[in-house]
Amino acid sequence: KNEVEQSPQNLTAQEGEFITINCSYSVGISALHWLQQHPGGGIVSLFMLSSGKKKHGRLIATINIQEKHSSLHITASHPRDSAVYICAVRGTGNQFYFGTGTSLTVIP
Amino acid sequence: DSGVTQTPKHLITATGQRVTLRCSPRSGDLSVYWYQQSLDQGLQFLIQYYNGEERAKGNILERFSAQQFPDLHSELNLSSLELGDSALYFCASSVGGGPNQPQHFGDGTRLSIL
Repeated sequence: KNEVEQSPQNLTAQEGEFITINCSYSVGISALHWLQQHPGGGIVSLFMLSSGKKKHGRLIATINIQEKHSSLHITASHPRDSAVYICAVRGTGNQFYFGTGTSLTVIP
Repeated sequence: DSGVTQTPKHLITATGQRVTLRCSPRSGDLSVYWYQQSLDQGLQFLIQYYNGEERAKGNILERFSAQQFPDLHSELNLSSLELGDSALYFCASSVGGGPNQPQHFGDGTRLSIL
């Protein structure tokens, strides 16, 4: 049983398209993180959310605590956005749970 | 550059051996987290330290141990290594130890067990 489910697993988009990646979780959480991992392996934390919505450049993250769901949106996608996006939650018991990631490829 | 330094970048060793991975957190960060990323299990949380004290524990095996030193760097010790321990090991740091803390990740140590 996975505490965090992401969809889709793989996503291919044309440059300029609007992209949405979804994350559902089944545990009580204190925070939700969206991470980006490039092919070289390095991980960058994009957002940390406990409620509402955050925006950074072309990236928007939202969370609905009641529905236990978060979305990551990328507007005007670009080939440099190609990466694996991972949803992670910190449970109320201080545990971390990770989704299996969404592999995004943006084609020029 | 996240400011988190992990050494070594790569490590190749044999089954049964013991290795130590090192992490220096970002300047000013008091909390250190260790994660394991393997092909079959994905990312897993191992352990968190805050200002020298263990704050949270995840799926860390008994063969693994960690500590955070007074200068805030941390070491992850892996012993009696098995083939299944081959993975990327990431360290991350944050300013505080609470749940609502953005984390900054190091580049990882790639451990290969032969």
